[in-house]
Amino acid sequence: SAVISQKPSRDICQRGTSLTIQCQVDSQVTMMFWYRQQPGQSLTLIATANQGSEATYESGFVIDKFPISRPNLTFSTLTVSNMSPEDSSIYLCSVRREEETQYFGPGTRLLVL
Amino acid sequence: AQKVTQVQTEISVVEKEDVTLDCVYETRDTTYYLFWYKQPPSGELVFLIRRNSFDEQNEISGRYSWNFQKSTSSFNFTITASQVVDSAVYFCALSEAGYGGATNKLIFGTGTLLAVQP
Repeated sequence: SAVISQKPSRDICQRGTSLTIQCQVDSQVTMMFWYRQQPGQSLTLIATANQGSEATYESGFVIDKFPISRPNLTFSTLTVSNMSPEDSSIYLCSVRREEETQYFGPGTRLLVL
Repeated sequence: AQKVTQVQTEISVVEKEDVTLDCVYETRDTTYYLFWYKQPPSGELVFLIRRNSFDEQNEISGRYSWNFQKSTSSFNFTITASQVVDSAVYFCALSEAGYGGATNKLIFGTGTLLAVQP
């Protein structure tokens, strides 16, 4: 398994502002993932973050809106830029371990007013 | 294309009842993994069980058991003697095996909300 922490755990933000979410893992990992879970919905992958290279974004997500940093093998950040109420979601990071199994952080609950 | 279907949106049971959560998947690959995750009201996503496509042996782990049938593309999950603490949203997920170090993304179902009443 993996021990994953996220900061902040929750936040309330004004529209038009940006929020950076941090994800810290207790051991080195090659790939980290960022997911979004809109209210009452399932999880959708935003992007995959490899250390030392640009993140790979899924269809419907763009780097200008969700810039990602991956400065080392235990840390990543996701920024939600120019927020609108539609960005209100839970944002989760995850890491892959054995047999394609992903372990998730506790999530960041974001409310945009 | 990959797809995971959970037709049960909500299930309500009384404590100590057994409950089965259904999951049907679609994939063109012959090598893949299936998962069940639990999301309690706190929001964290907890890994429960994993099965790969080559292992159809059904197992029991404590109060959890699962029934994997490739012939019907189903991966059902049963909780025996349910408890109030089992109340959560349960997600079934599919991942095709990564080749050459690549990792394929998890495809999640829409989730089943389980409410266990005391």
